[in-house]
Amino acid sequence: EDKVVQSPLSLVVHEGDTVTLNCSYEVTNFRSLLWYKQEKKAPTFLFMLTSSGIEKKSGRLSSILDKKELFSILNITATQTGDSAVYLCAVEANTGNQFYFGTGTSLTVIP
Amino acid sequence: NAGVTQTPKFRVLKTGQSMTLLCAQDMNHEYMYWYRQDPGMGLRLIHYSVGEGTTAKGEVPDGYNVSRLKKQNFLLGLESAAPSQTSVYFCASKSPSGRDYEQYFGPGTRLTVT
Repeated sequence: EDKVVQSPLSLVVHEGDTVTLNCSYEVTNFRSLLWYKQEKKAPTFLFMLTSSGIEKKSGRLSSILDKKELFSILNITATQTGDSAVYLCAVEANTGNQFYFGTGTSLTVIP
Repeated sequence: NAGVTQTPKFRVLKTGQSMTLLCAQDMNHEYMYWYRQDPGMGLRLIHYSVGEGTTAKGEVPDGYNVSRLKKQNFLLGLESAAPSQTSVYFCASKSPSGRDYEQYFGPGTRLTVT
C-alpha cells in the first residue's frame, strides 16, 4: 500500500528557532515529491524534488530528497510567526498520475 | 486568469440529500483531481481525471461520482449524502508534463452533512 508519513505531527517553537520537518514514503513508481504550506485555506506550493541529494532553497526554506532511504526533509531557519501553518508532503506516482499526501506537520511559531 | 475555482464555498446538507460540487480551471490543464481533507487525515484522493471524458478512482471513491464532460470542468457528485462525508473538499489541476509539475488548488468547499 502506498503511503506517506510525516513527523512530527505538531511542533511549537519560538521565533528565530530552526525546525526540520520529516517526510518518509513508500510509493510505487515514484515520480516526484512536493512540499506545500497550508494556512486555513488551500495548500500553496513550496518545492518539488525529483533527484536525490540536490537541495532546493527559497529564502529561509530548504528541502532535500534521499531516494535511496525514501525520505525528504524541509528545513526552516530563523522561523517567524508567519511560518505558522500545516506543512504537507506529497508524492506523485507515475502510475495513474496520483498524488499521495501525508497527514501534515502543524507548526506553531510563538513570538 | 482565475486559476482553479470551486462552487459552492459552503454547503449544509441533510442525510440522504444529493448535491454536485463544481470545479473549473482556466489554465488548460489536462489533469484534474478531487480531494477531501479531514482533521488529522491529510488530503485523500477521491477521484481524478487525466483528460476530457475520462475519470478514475482514487483512494476513497465510495459514495462519490464524477464527470469530466468539458476539459475545464470537473464535477463531484454526492448521490445520497452521509454524515461521514462532512469534510473540506479541494479540487486541483495540473499539466501532465514539462516544468509545471505542481498541482494548483482551488479554495475549497466546506460541506457539512447533518
